[in-house]
Amino acid sequence: AQSVTQLGSHVSVSEGALVLLRCNYSSSVPPYLFWYVQYPNQGLQLLLKYTSAATLVKGINGFEAEFKKSETSFHLTKPSAHMSDAAEYFCAVSVATDKLIFGTGTRLQVFP
Amino acid sequence: EAQVTQNPRYLITVTGKKLTVTCSQNMNHEYMSWYRQDPGLGLRQIYYSMNVEVTDKGDVPEGYKVSRKEKRNFPLILESPSPNQTSLYFCASSFPAGVTSTDTQYFGPGTRLTVL
Repeated sequence: AQSVTQLGSHVSVSEGALVLLRCNYSSSVPPYLFWYVQYPNQGLQLLLKYTSAATLVKGINGFEAEFKKSETSFHLTKPSAHMSDAAEYFCAVSVATDKLIFGTGTRLQVFP
Repeated sequence: EAQVTQNPRYLITVTGKKLTVTCSQNMNHEYMSWYRQDPGLGLRQIYYSMNVEVTDKGDVPEGYKVSRKEKRNFPLILESPSPNQTSLYFCASSFPAGVTSTDTQYFGPGTRLTVL
């Protein structure tokens, strides 16, 4: 069965600092991986997705994620945090099925 | 504007009083899905639909019903709501229906339901 684990339910960084949100997946076949962001009182929107092309995926708002098969990881990074990045972030996996399996989410706080 | 809409956005009701949450998309998507979001549990799929008149259970279908009579609409029905169904509900859609699994799902703004 497929699953994702997000390490850290809350992450706090200072404005301008590196953002690193961790996601590990479990899958017996090559997965498709996604990061979604949820801003306060809004639905989820796609940040980026890995679909077996390049292992380094660039998304919106300066975020990127690297697929590492040997580590079964798909961590999300951004070099310099902005106040507007404060949100909840969800990692998700899909394996040729009709559904996404979401992690439990990581809430990112950005301090001035 | 391409979007998924849900109504109502907020609802407070009492145990046992039937309710329907509507979901509509204007992108001609085949695939639609309902999720519930609970603290510490992330999003869990309730039901999904591959196309008109084709629906199937997700991970937590108990206590819910859905229908897909038109491509654009996918209402969620709670026949006899209970307090454990208090949650934040999201509808999502994508195109085509699960063919590649890489298709982006577009989410509605959410419906916050409280069952007293």
